[in-house]
Amino acid sequence: GAVVSQHPSRVICKSGTSVKIECRSLDFQATTMFWYRQFPKQSLMLMATSNEGSKATYEQGVEKDKFLINHASLTLSTLTVTSAHPEDSSFYICSAREEGRNNQPQHFGDGTRLSIL
Amino acid sequence: QKEVEQNSGPLSVPEGAIASLNCTYSDRVSQSFFWYRQYSGKSPELIMSIYSNGDKEDGRFTAQLNKASQYVSLLIRDSQPSDSATYLCAVNNPASGGSYIPTFGRGTSLIVHP
Repeated sequence: GAVVSQHPSRVICKSGTSVKIECRSLDFQATTMFWYRQFPKQSLMLMATSNEGSKATYEQGVEKDKFLINHASLTLSTLTVTSAHPEDSSFYICSAREEGRNNQPQHFGDGTRLSIL
Repeated sequence: QKEVEQNSGPLSVPEGAIASLNCTYSDRVSQSFFWYRQYSGKSPELIMSIYSNGDKEDGRFTAQLNKASQYVSLLIRDSQPSDSATYLCAVNNPASGGSYIPTFGRGTSLIVHP
């Protein structure tokens, strides 16, 4: 089945640090990847849709200059949390969908737990 | 705004019983429907996909779709304590350019007690 790899699984760093999270589709090509954030006991919140070769589409209320997304290839999207602060601490999860199969389910990475001290 | 509604629960059932999870969606043109299971602290994993009206069975899981009523459900037979998790309903809605945008419900917490 489709496998999505996300790294790192956990990050603990000081306030002001920028953190990069990678999302890779291992056995399929993904024109579209999605980035979610989930706070404890809260629902999954879509942050942005990452499109290969073009700019990401951000959801309302998500700062595009704060959360930089790069989708440079059909198998890799990165999310960079710039100058992270304690309120950015959360569980970040990426997902990917196979190219040309837009009506199919997404496959999720294992998530990145980000803790900003 | 396209919405997917789920009762947050918790839904508590005894081991061996049937757990019934429900989901309604607002957009009549929604095309595809998915159920994900999310254990605490983990990312969601796909359980079932359903695209046409009726029932779809996979092992102990049955997904039911009624597009006229804009309703999709998940039945878990012979529930086990290991089924205790949050179940997310997701709907793909057509967007511009032929793409599909997923919308998730808030999830229903299921507790299966021995």
